[in-house]
Amino acid sequence: GENVEQHPSTLSVQEGDSAVIKCTYSDSASNYFPWYKQELGKRPQLIIDIRSNVGEKKDQRIAVTLNKTAKHFSLHITETQPEDSAVYFCAPQNTGNQFYFGTGTSLTVIP
Amino acid sequence: DAGVIQSPRHEVTEMGQEVTLRCKPISGHNSLFWYRQTMMRGLELLIYFNNNVPIDDSGMPEDRFSAKMPNASFSTLKIQPSEPRDSAVYFCASSPDREETQYFGPGTRLLVL
Repeated sequence: GENVEQHPSTLSVQEGDSAVIKCTYSDSASNYFPWYKQELGKRPQLIIDIRSNVGEKKDQRIAVTLNKTAKHFSLHITETQPEDSAVYFCAPQNTGNQFYFGTGTSLTVIP
Repeated sequence: DAGVIQSPRHEVTEMGQEVTLRCKPISGHNSLFWYRQTMMRGLELLIYFNNNVPIDDSGMPEDRFSAKMPNASFSTLKIQPSEPRDSAVYFCASSPDREETQYFGPGTRLLVL
């Protein structure tokens, strides 16, 4: 199956700074790349996604960039706020229409 | 829409008992997924259905686990007999199709004593 890795596994930033989380995958034919946010005790929720025909997508303070050649995509959060503190998961979809969730990155934004 | 509905929200049972988790997907969604989340293993896909048909159950841990989707608006995940290592949060998710955003239910917190 798909081999999905996220880095870093934990990240602490000062409020207002930027945070970047990287996700690498193994299936070169993967075509859909979402990021999910899971707050403590709650369900994962999609925050942004990108498809294989574009390289970057932005939604206010959140952006995702895709490098299909290198098989990785990254989540960028600018001007971080305490409410951004959560666990973030990437979940690339491979050619078998399967989603493999990464191991998660725990982000802490320090006020 | 009420979103994905799961029941029960919490379940405490004793080892050896049967446990049944229930899920009602968002109306109109064709795909349904069952996940298990633990600290040790993260978020694991157990099984997913497309148009009520099980497509991939390779994530189901063993024969004690079974899942059904008798119609488009209902699915169950059954554990029989349950064991302490089955303690986890079980999420159900649905999506309009296989290549779309997944919408997660609130989860069922299962504790097997």
